[in-house]
Amino acid sequence: SQTIHQWPATLVQPVGSPLSLECTVEGTSNPNLYWYRQAAGRGLQLLFYSVGIGQISSEVPQNLSASRPQDRQFILSSKKLLLSDSGFYLCAWRPLQGAGNTIYFGEGSWLTVV
Amino acid sequence: QKEVEQNSGPLSVPEGAIASLNCTYSDRVSQSFFWYRQYSGKSPELIMSIYSNGDKEDGRFTAQLNKASQYVSLLIRDSQPSDSATYLCAVGGTASKLTFGTGTRLQVTL
Repeated sequence: SQTIHQWPATLVQPVGSPLSLECTVEGTSNPNLYWYRQAAGRGLQLLFYSVGIGQISSEVPQNLSASRPQDRQFILSSKKLLLSDSGFYLCAWRPLQGAGNTIYFGEGSWLTVV
Repeated sequence: QKEVEQNSGPLSVPEGAIASLNCTYSDRVSQSFFWYRQYSGKSPELIMSIYSNGDKEDGRFTAQLNKASQYVSLLIRDSQPSDSATYLCAVGGTASKLTFGTGTRLQVTL
């Protein structure tokens, strides 16, 4: 069966510090991968998605970046965090084959920028 | 810009009653529709998907889709306290992306 893992689960970072969140998917090949952010009291905002190794699409301008160095690995990064980067970050995946656009989420990472 | 609208709630229903959650979307070419449940502090989990007009039933859950009215709903029968959560409506178009609503918070009272 397919599983998705995301880490770290929580982190508190000072303004201006770097960020690295990592996500891996097991039990599938060539999935679509996504990074979403959910700010307090707000909906899910798509940040990045990837259809393959090295292929990244950015949905919103921001100081975040994403990379996909391996087929089932997706990384969210920042060189200098802002207070507004605080939120709940969710990695998600979509199987290459299957019904519609169903996506499945990882456990999420809570980021607090102080 | 594609939009998905939901009433934020909270929607309060007594235990055993039917909870009705609604969602409208703006993009007429949307092809896939999903309901996710999100408990406080947790990630969303998929409850239902629906692609064709009409009703789709899965246990206590029924999803209803009306593409002409750009409307999708979720009915929860025999509501239980464990159903208390935020329900997210998501809509997919031709690309491999989903647009989410802000969610409706459901409270099932004893």
